[in-house]
Amino acid sequence: AQSVTQLGSHVSVSEGALVLLRCNYSSSVPPYLFWYVQYPNQGLQLLLKYTSAATLVKGINGFEAEFKKSETSFHLTKPSAHMSDAAEYFCAVMNDYKLSFGAGTTVTVRA
Amino acid sequence: NAGVMQNPRHLVRRRGQEARLRCSPMKGHSHVYWYRQLPEEGLKFMVYLQKENIIDESGMPKERFSAEFPKEGPSILRIQQVVRGDSAAYFCASSTRAGGFETQYFGPGTRLLVL
Repeated sequence: AQSVTQLGSHVSVSEGALVLLRCNYSSSVPPYLFWYVQYPNQGLQLLLKYTSAATLVKGINGFEAEFKKSETSFHLTKPSAHMSDAAEYFCAVMNDYKLSFGAGTTVTVRA
Repeated sequence: NAGVMQNPRHLVRRRGQEARLRCSPMKGHSHVYWYRQLPEEGLKFMVYLQKENIIDESGMPKERFSAEFPKEGPSILRIQQVVRGDSAAYFCASSTRAGGFETQYFGPGTRLLVL
């Protein structure tokens, strides 16, 4: 089964700074990749997904991710962090109809 | 269009009691999935259902856990004789189709605490 690995369980950034969350996948075929965000005590909200239509995927709230086959990566970025970006972020890959999630990265934003 | 609804949002049970978690998918969605988020273990797939059918329950513990998605009404995840290790957040998701890049929309979750 395909899997994803998120590097870094915690990321701390200053407000206005770049947010970079790393995700690597293991797959021998083109994967279906997703990024979800989870705010405290809430469910998961889809940020964006890779559908093979374009390698640079734009999502909600100013986030984007780039699919790099050569690096088997799908890192999530946002040019300028906002306080409201403080949350936990999950990278996931679809195996048939099951989502397999990474361990998650908690983002804190410093004023 | 209302999102995926789950209730209760919080549930406290004593060891040995039963827990019933309910999930109403988004309108028009006939595919329902349950995931469990255990502390230190992350989010794991439990079961995939369509109306009146369990398609894949490979992620469900073999004992005490069951799920259904009847023709009418919400999907139910049932945990019998709960133990402390069942304490977790249980999320339901739904979609219009299954697999590929189809988006699964998640509910707010039910946080189960077993005393």
